[in-house]
Order: sequence, then C-alpha cells, then structure tokens
Amino acid sequence: AQSVTQPDIHITVSEGASLELRCNYSYGATPYLFWYVQSPGQGLQLLLKYFSGDTLVQGIKGFEAEFKRSQSSFNLRKPSVHWSDAAEYFCAVGTPYSSASKIIFGSGTRLSIRP
Amino acid sequence: DAGVIQSPRHEVTEMGQEVTLRCKPISGHNSLFWYRQTMMRGLELLIYFNNNVPIDDSGMPEDRFSAKMPNASFSTLKIQPSEPRDSAVYFCASRPDSQNTGELFFGEGSRLTVL
Repeated sequence: AQSVTQPDIHITVSEGASLELRCNYSYGATPYLFWYVQSPGQGLQLLLKYFSGDTLVQGIKGFEAEFKRSQSSFNLRKPSVHWSDAAEYFCAVGTPYSSASKIIFGSGTRLSIRP
Repeated sequence: DAGVIQSPRHEVTEMGQEVTLRCKPISGHNSLFWYRQTMMRGLELLIYFNNNVPIDDSGMPEDRFSAKMPNASFSTLKIQPSEPRDSAVYFCASRPDSQNTGELFFGEGSRLTVL
C-alpha cells in the first residue's frame, strides 16, 4: 500500500525568501504524485502533479517540484514566497492509474509568511 | 463548470442524532471520494466509488458510518448515531477517468460539529 510522509508540521519563512517543503512517499513502483494547497475554510486545489516524463514539474503560482526516485521524494519549491502563499500544503500519492486507484494524502505542512 | 458541490457547509448537531452529508460531483467524473479532515489525523480517505460502485470502504471508521451513490450525480455520507469525535470537516472529491492522471477536484467541505 502507498503512504506519504511530510516531516514538517509548520514552517515559517520571510516574504521573498525561498521555500522548500519536504515529501517522502512509499510505493513499490513509480507512483502518481501531487501537491495540493488549502487556504483556510476552503477545499484543496491542485498545485502540480507528476506521473511520468521530466522529473521537474512546474505548477501554478510559481511552484515547482522535483521527483527523485532514489530518495523517494517529491519536494515542493518556490524561489520567492509571497504573503498570499500562507496556507496548508499537502503532498499526495496515487497508484498508476486505474479505476481502482486511490489518492492518499500526507499530514500537511502549514506555511506561515513573516512580513 | 460548477465544480463539486457539498451540502450543508456547516452542521451543528447533538450527540445521537443522524447526520447526512451530500455531494454532487462534477458532471462526467466517474470516481467519487469522501475524506475526513481533523487536526489530529489529517486527511483520511473514508470511501471511494467508481461508476457508482464502492471500490474501497476500508477507511470508514465504524458501522455508524455509511455511504451511498445511487446515481452518477449524487452521493451521501451518513452518520447514525453521531458522536462528538465525529466532529471534522468532510470533503467530497471527484475525478474523471478520461484524463488518466489521477487529479482530484475537491468541494469546499462540510464542517460538522457534534455537541
């Protein structure tokens, strides 16, 4: 069964600083990987996804993530954060697609932005 | 497209009462997921359906919880009887089989408080 770990519960960075949120997954083969963002009181919105091809994927709002098979990681990065990036970020893993595949989420990382 | 629609957005009830949460997935999406979000346990997958058929209900916490999908445009999650520990935000998400990438589209959630 697949699983995903986000080791950082809460991170605070200064506005304009770079950001990296960590994600490690467990799955026997190459999974589908996702990063979602949740603003307070809202549902989850997809930032980016990886399922094959180039291991560096670009997403919305200037985010990117790199799939590293050797480290079973899919870390999220942004070169310069904005105050509006304050939110909860979730990494998720899914099995290669079939009608029976499910998506499992990590516990989330809350991002705070220091003015 | 209207997106995934959940109702009610907020529900406050007393212990022992029956609670019914509703979800309308995006038209044309074949899979539907119910998640529960709490501070302690994060986002837990409760159950998911494909073409209206329950595929995996291993995340349903106990017999007090039940879910149905009578047709492609409607699903319910029922808790009977409710308990204070059921207090959480319940999310519904849908996924189109045709895209073959696994992305989920989330509703805004139903916040349940059981007193």
